[in-house]
Amino acid sequence: ELKVEQNPLFLSMQEGKNYTIYCNYSTTSDRLYWYRQDPGKSLESLFVLLSNGAVKQEGRLMASLDTKARLSTLHITAAVHDLSATYFCAVDISGTASKLTFGTGTRLQVTL
Amino acid sequence: KAGVTQTPRYLIKTRGQQVTLSCSPISGHRSVSWYQQTPGQGLQFLFEYFSETQRNKGNFPGRFSGRQFSNSRSEMNVSTLELGDSALYLCASSLIPGWRGASGQETQYFGPGTRLLVL
Repeated sequence: ELKVEQNPLFLSMQEGKNYTIYCNYSTTSDRLYWYRQDPGKSLESLFVLLSNGAVKQEGRLMASLDTKARLSTLHITAAVHDLSATYFCAVDISGTASKLTFGTGTRLQVTL
Repeated sequence: KAGVTQTPRYLIKTRGQQVTLSCSPISGHRSVSWYQQTPGQGLQFLFEYFSETQRNKGNFPGRFSGRQFSNSRSEMNVSTLELGDSALYLCASSLIPGWRGASGQETQYFGPGTRLLVL
């Protein structure tokens, strides 16, 4: 059974600081997703990582994938308050991109 | 381009009742997946439909069922509701399952969700 673990579960950081969220998964997969969820809202797609060594960046967020280590990271650079949200990684092993197993989520709180 | 839409947005039911939730995917998307989100269990996959056929199913009891119509719209039904079924039900659509085309085409796009409260 595929298990997806994220850490930390909760992260409080000051504006301007850098930090990394980790996502480990238990079964080989080369398809990993990062989503953002604001309180009471749905999931917003951030990144799709489809191969070993894939790196994608959007603004202050950068995601990478190491399929050999079964690890993905979401790096936050110079955090701003608007990044406060819950971040989920999700893995697909079905090959259909339509059956995702989600991590527990990391609740990020950026303080002024 | 309109996003994924779900109706109703909020629903209150009592134990033992049944409920039907509806999802309209992004125009042109043929795959629809359903997820349940609860504080205790997190986000869990329910099932996925493609071309009116259920292709994948999660570990949920038979009380949870779904279907997809020829226009790709999907419904999910929960019979004999239990208190533990209170959750946010999210629908997601994607272009074609397994498609590895241009960036973004592999992604599942989520709807706003239906928040179900069972009393």
